[in-house]
Amino acid sequence: DGGITQSPKYLFRKEGQNVTLSCEQNLNHDAMYWYRQDPGQGLRLIYYSQIVNDFQKGDIAEGYSVSREKKESFPLTVTSAQKNPTAFYLCASMGRGNQPQHFGDGTRLSIL
Amino acid sequence: DQQVKQNSPSLSVQEGRISILNCDYTNSMFDYFLWYKKYPAEGPTFLISISSIKDKNEDGRFTVFLNKSAKHLSLHIVPSQPGDSAVYFCASYSFNAGNNRKLIWGLGTSLAVNP
Repeated sequence: DGGITQSPKYLFRKEGQNVTLSCEQNLNHDAMYWYRQDPGQGLRLIYYSQIVNDFQKGDIAEGYSVSREKKESFPLTVTSAQKNPTAFYLCASMGRGNQPQHFGDGTRLSIL
Repeated sequence: DQQVKQNSPSLSVQEGRISILNCDYTNSMFDYFLWYKKYPAEGPTFLISISSIKDKNEDGRFTVFLNKSAKHLSLHIVPSQPGDSAVYFCASYSFNAGNNRKLIWGLGTSLAVNP
C-alpha cells in the first residue's frame, strides 16, 4: 500500500541532545512537509521541500533542520537550539496538480 | 495574521442531524480549498476539496460549499454520526504559487456528535 511512514511513534529527548524524526513516502510525491502541532493548536509549518536537494523554511523553522537527499525521504532534526520541542510532529507529502496533502501518523516528542 | 479562520473552536450536534462547520479566508489568491478530519494522536485525513471554479462539491454525506464573494466555505455532514466526532481543519492554497505551494491551515473545529 502507498503511504507515508513516520518513525518512531514516540521519542524522548534529553537536554542538549539532537534527535532525528524519520519520514518516508512511497507515493512518488515531489513535495514533502513537516508540521508541528501543540495541544489545542492548529498545524504550524516547520520546513517544506518541493523537490530533491531543495527545501524552504516554514513559519517556525528555528531550532530545526532538514535534508532532502532522496525523493522518498525527508528527515527532520530537532536540535538542542529548539527550546520547546515537546509536540506532535506530522509529515506530509503532496503530488502535482490540485492534490491534497497526505499525512503520516505522527511522532510524539517529549523531553526527559 | 490568520489567513484561514475557523471561528468556532467547538460544535456539538445530535446524531442524525446536520453538522455545519465554517471557514473564512482572507487571501483572494487562494483557489483550492480542503477539509481534513483529525483524531487525537493521528495524522489528518483528507475529506473533501473544492476548486474555486465550483461552488459545491459533494461526496457521500459530506458537502462543501464555497462562496467566493464572501470568502467563505462550509462543510456539511448529513446525517452526522458518532464516528464523525473529531477535529476538522480547513486549509487552502494558491495553485499558482508554483514551487512555493504550501497549505495554509485554520486552527480547527472540534465536532462532537452525541448519540
